[in-house]
Amino acid sequence: LAKTTQPISMDSYEGQEVNITCSHNNIATNDYITWYQQFPSQGPRFIIQGYKTKVTNEVASLFIPADRKSSTLSLPRVSLSDTAVYYCLVGDDRGSTLGRLYFGRGTQLTVWP
Amino acid sequence: DTAVSQTPKYLVTQMGNDKSIKCEQNLGHDTMYWYKQDSKKFLKIMFSYNNKELIINETVPNRFSPKSPDKAHLNLHINSLELGDSAVYFCASSDSGTSGAYTFGSGTRLTVV
Repeated sequence: LAKTTQPISMDSYEGQEVNITCSHNNIATNDYITWYQQFPSQGPRFIIQGYKTKVTNEVASLFIPADRKSSTLSLPRVSLSDTAVYYCLVGDDRGSTLGRLYFGRGTQLTVWP
Repeated sequence: DTAVSQTPKYLVTQMGNDKSIKCEQNLGHDTMYWYKQDSKKFLKIMFSYNNKELIINETVPNRFSPKSPDKAHLNLHINSLELGDSAVYFCASSDSGTSGAYTFGSGTRLTVV
């Protein structure tokens, strides 16, 4: 399992762009990088997934450098409702390794008015 | 039209009792999971089932017994509940052909007193 390291917490203000970086030095060739968001009293929600370069969807962007040893989740113009825990997962859990992805402690993002 | 639904949402019970948590998904996924989230917010895989077959059993006490009657259901039965079993239990599902793209239920908060 590729372990990940991300900041325990981050603070931001409404309207700012937030970048959360995740380190995954031992990422394997077949591994994907996936980010989840979890609000209090809810289950984690899939945000974005990438393999290399940049991926963008309606919620966030994911930047992955060429060496893939880190990744950055970018949330444009955050609002109070973006306050949540963000998890970075790295791995390939297809086939016999279904479910073998390490969630870690995540990053608690707090957005202030 | 909830994608992954689990019941009950809250469960308070005494030590030594036996309880069950039910989970159903209507996404057509072939894989389902049970996760445990403790008070420190660590999210740990307990079990995964693919097409009703057990794939992962992550060093969970045998007091925990999952049952998958069909691909859309994965229930969790817990015997002889202990104080340390208090946690939030999440059910999730995915398509085994993708990696890391899980859909989680809203969780069951189990409190053993």
